[in-house]
Amino acid sequence: DTAVSQTPKYLVTQMGNDKSIKCEQNLGHDTMYWYKQDSKKFLKIMFSYNNKELIINETVPNRFSPKSPDKAHLNLHINSLELGDSAVYFCASSQGPTTYEQYFGPGTRLTVT
Amino acid sequence: QKEVEQNSGPLSVPEGAIASLNCTYSDRVSQSFFWYRQYSGKSPELIMSIYSNGDKEDGRFTAQLNKASQYVSLLIRDSQPSDSATYLCAVNRVGGATNKLIFGTGTLLAVQP
Repeated sequence: DTAVSQTPKYLVTQMGNDKSIKCEQNLGHDTMYWYKQDSKKFLKIMFSYNNKELIINETVPNRFSPKSPDKAHLNLHINSLELGDSAVYFCASSQGPTTYEQYFGPGTRLTVT
Repeated sequence: QKEVEQNSGPLSVPEGAIASLNCTYSDRVSQSFFWYRQYSGKSPELIMSIYSNGDKEDGRFTAQLNKASQYVSLLIRDSQPSDSATYLCAVNRVGGATNKLIFGTGTLLAVQP
């Protein structure tokens, strides 16, 4: 039974389009995260939600908008996609906002052409 | 100076040898340290966490922490080809009531049969 799942696994789209990635966790965790991993494998946090409330908002273009309808789900919507947005986006969850052990989803590989 | 530094490798070791992976961090007040393993095309998987100075053993893995030197390492005994992956060091960034993990860029380990 998958703990943290993401859809879609692959996303290929053209510049200027809008796309969404969805994440769900069945671990009963309160806190969820979005990370971006670039081509050099650098993993950087973008956002975090704790029980539907945004608690971490890194310096990310406002074309990226996260949304958490409930504590088990976290979505990421990206407007006006650019070439530089091509990366792997990982969702993760942890028991709480000060619990450092995080568990990652399988990732969504986004390619912008 | 990067917050979390790792040698990118590749670190090549023969099967059965001990692989030693190192990580240094800049935030002196960091309290929690993690090692994640990431196979090519897969998501990061938590393999070790360490919170106090000294050694922590789990099977073939030993994490070592030296807060005075701001240094954390991972030893893999009896290395197997299946251990070949990128190993990411992660350190918590202290800042209020939120949890933020800062990742290194990873060390690629190649275990030669």
